[in-house]
Amino acid sequence: DAKTTQPNSMESNEEEPVHLPCNHSTISGTDYIHWYRQLPSQGPEYVIHGLTSNVNNRMASLAIAEDRKSSTLILHRATLRDAAVYYCTPYSGGGADGLTFGKGTHLIIQP
Amino acid sequence: EPEVTQTPSHQVTQMGQEVILRCVPISNHLYFYWYRQILGQKVEFLVSFYNNEISEKSEIFDDQFSVERPDGSNFTLKIRSTKLEDSAMYFCATKGDFSDYGYTFGSGTRLTVV
Repeated sequence: DAKTTQPNSMESNEEEPVHLPCNHSTISGTDYIHWYRQLPSQGPEYVIHGLTSNVNNRMASLAIAEDRKSSTLILHRATLRDAAVYYCTPYSGGGADGLTFGKGTHLIIQP
Repeated sequence: EPEVTQTPSHQVTQMGQEVILRCVPISNHLYFYWYRQILGQKVEFLVSFYNNEISEKSEIFDDQFSVERPDGSNFTLKIRSTKLEDSAMYFCATKGDFSDYGYTFGSGTRLTVV
């Protein structure tokens, strides 16, 4: 299994952009990079995924390094509701496969 | 937005007792999963279920665990004889089809074994 490395925690101010890094240097060539977040007392929530190109959706943007060994989740304007643990995880896309979660990054948002 | 519903939200049981955790998946979803999260630890994959059979299971999912979809709607996780170390949050997750990359998780059942 590809191993991921994320900072244990990050802190940001409300309404500022947040860049959450993830290293996944052993990711296979066909694995997607998925990001999930877990709000307090909730189950994980899908945020975004990508393969090679940068991706945008209503929640966030995902910037993927050209060599695919790292990626960055970008929250363009953090709110207090974005305070959560953020996980990056490689995923092959097969229906049977379970997700592998690491410890993630605990994002703290200061008002 | 469609939700995955789990019941109960909290269950307390005595060691050695059987428990059944219930999940109502999103109606048109085809893939079903159980995960657990021991307090302060990572979310861990337990089992995936498709077409009324187990597709994949982790080492955690031993003979004490079983899953089924008895009535075509509810998806259940049964722990036959609970141990103290089974205390955790248990999350159900579902996915629409093979090409649907995002999982939808429920809010979880907190299981406390005493």
